Amino acid sequence: GAVVSQHPSWVICKSGTSVKIECRSLDFQATTMFWYRQFPKQSLMLMATSNEGSKATYEQGVEKDKFLINHASLTLSTLTVTSAHPEDSSFYICSARARGRVVGETQYFGPGTRLLVL
Amino acid sequence: AQSVTQPDIHITVSEGASLELRCNYSYGATPYLFWYVQSPGQGLQLLLKYFSGDTLVQGIKGFEAEFKRSQSSFNLRKPSVHWSDAAEYFCAVGTTTDSWGKLQFGAGTQVVVTP
Repeated sequence: GAVVSQHPSWVICKSGTSVKIECRSLDFQATTMFWYRQFPKQSLMLMATSNEGSKATYEQGVEKDKFLINHASLTLSTLTVTSAHPEDSSFYICSARARGRVVGETQYFGPGTRLLVL
Repeated sequence: AQSVTQPDIHITVSEGASLELRCNYSYGATPYLFWYVQSPGQGLQLLLKYFSGDTLVQGIKGFEAEFKRSQSSFNLRKPSVHWSDAAEYFCAVGTTTDSWGKLQFGAGTQVVVTP
């Protein structure tokens, strides 16, 4: 149980295009989903927190117009990188926290999406 | 503000030897503590977690961790390492005051297993 999927697993795009990454909780309902960015050999950096049916909350320094997050249902959140540039190339990981769980309950992570912007 | 420190960036261990990864946190109350493992190019897999109760926590793959409040530590251990344990290990802290359950991650420890 508690499986989170991401699609696509990797994507290559041209500079200036937009890329959408999907994060799905497959066997549980996720009240809250998180989006992280990870640079090579570094830790995870939280980008934003999204709750189903409401606007995402972005961490300081993260451009909300660049990284659009939509949490349309209890099992799906999407991250759209708009007008991507080479500096947006990174490994993007989502996680989900199960509905009804107490604060601090476990986050389950997706396998990640590697984005390369040419 | 809370913080998480993993003092060891890189550890090399022989297969069959014991492993201990250090994690120290800074937080005013009892935090929620996690250890995750990440294989190259993959997401994070939960090894174990501590919320309350018994301070020695058993996890998957033969790992255990001990919460020591007096030392603000949550070190991860494994008695006998297998080659498949080579990976990046992250300690993470959650707080009781964050209603969304956000986590703060340590910098990670890269574990290399030699024959």
